[in-house]
Amino acid sequence: DIQLTQSPPFLSASVGDRVTITCRASQDIGSYFAWYQQKPGKAPKLLIYSVSTLQTGVPSRFSGRRSGTEFTLTISSLQPEDFATYYCQQPKNYPTFGPGTKVEI
Amino acid sequence: QVQLQESGPGLVKPSQALSLTCTVSGASISTPTYYWNWLRQPAGQGPEWIGRIYTNAHTDYNPSLKSRLTLSLDQSKNQFSLKLNSVTAADSAVYYCAASYVYRRDNFDYWGQGTQVAVSS
Repeated sequence: DIQLTQSPPFLSASVGDRVTITCRASQDIGSYFAWYQQKPGKAPKLLIYSVSTLQTGVPSRFSGRRSGTEFTLTISSLQPEDFATYYCQQPKNYPTFGPGTKVEI
Repeated sequence: QVQLQESGPGLVKPSQALSLTCTVSGASISTPTYYWNWLRQPAGQGPEWIGRIYTNAHTDYNPSLKSRLTLSLDQSKNQFSLKLNSVTAADSAVYYCAASYVYRRDNFDYWGQGTQVAVSS
């Protein structure tokens, strides 16, 4: 199975901060890599797909990049509504998700 | 806009079968546009993909669940369903149904609100 390692598991930040979350895959997984945002009691929400394409309606402060098997999600200026848990997801063989990064105040 | 709603029992006894239904609105499950998926999320963990079904009833399953899992469609009711046999406490989770576009089937664009399932005697 392909393993996804997300770091950090927890992140304390303030409004206005630039935040970067990293997800590393155990092998090459292609280009249909995605990021999701989940708030307590809600379903995950697709933020970014194909590594760097923003889902419709997602603010431009969110961005995604790839370097080999390392993928990053960056929030350029953290807003109050961005405090949530973020999951990475890969498609190879069958879809799997990372363990999550909780972004806290 | 596709909307999905899960339904089913919130409590299942160990060794019994778990059956859940997802009712779709805003799209026909007969459309070739979407795959219809099930995912679950144990408390404090990331989501786990369970499987998907297409309008022609083609299915793909998570290998770890394949031996216990059946997905099906009911086009007359615009619903799709999950049946997971021989459940244990490890199957306790919030279960979600979700839709993904055929051209990027492994990304989940539309989700239901989720239904909590506990496996306990």
